[in-house]
Amino acid sequence: GAGVSQSPSNKVTEKGKDVELRCDPISGHTALYWYRQSLGQGLEFLIYFQGNSAPDKSGLPSDRFSAERTGGSVSTLTIQRTQQEDSAVYLCASSLGRSQPQHFGDGTRLSIL
Amino acid sequence: DQQVKQNSPSLSVQEGRISILNCDYTNSMFDYFLWYKKYPAEGPTFLISISSIKDKNEDGRFTVFLNKSAKHLSLHIVPSQPGDSAVYFCAASGAGGGADGLTFGKGTHLIIQP
Repeated sequence: GAGVSQSPSNKVTEKGKDVELRCDPISGHTALYWYRQSLGQGLEFLIYFQGNSAPDKSGLPSDRFSAERTGGSVSTLTIQRTQQEDSAVYLCASSLGRSQPQHFGDGTRLSIL
Repeated sequence: DQQVKQNSPSLSVQEGRISILNCDYTNSMFDYFLWYKKYPAEGPTFLISISSIKDKNEDGRFTVFLNKSAKHLSLHIVPSQPGDSAVYFCAASGAGGGADGLTFGKGTHLIIQP
């Protein structure tokens, strides 16, 4: 399909392990965003990429979280030394740019044992 | 401190009637507002948006109203249909600093009763 694609859809891992989540945005969308939704909470902004500009990392909760966007397309969100509080649904969105609707993938449900 | 608030966790409406979902915000720098609909185990689906230079935007059965002086927006769905049953999120952006990440409310669960 032509929507935002995220993988894996589910990930279960042990505390202390590193995890890598992938996002493939809509073709032609220059802006890419990562959010997370913890149980019973709204969506929380994590990081924003726009074209070749330096990413806005203002929402990352700790230095264990990092993200890359290669070639202006696919993005990976990496969480190092995972903790139980990292358990959440991680959502990726893309848009044509500022003040344009963001379109979301179905997310990765991350469970830390 | 929540900058976008949806004070009704749930709302029940009879099929065919109007559904009105409300949202309040505190940050006067927000200049773009959106409503999303979410089904379980799926990502949010974009419904409708409004820029702060407007006070109304309409798309089919969905209308969003913005009252900047009250820092309030609402989503009207008319007529309500069973497929409208979902969680609805209000979101805003433009809070200065060039950040474009959306700030979301916690959602309102809309239940359409037959």
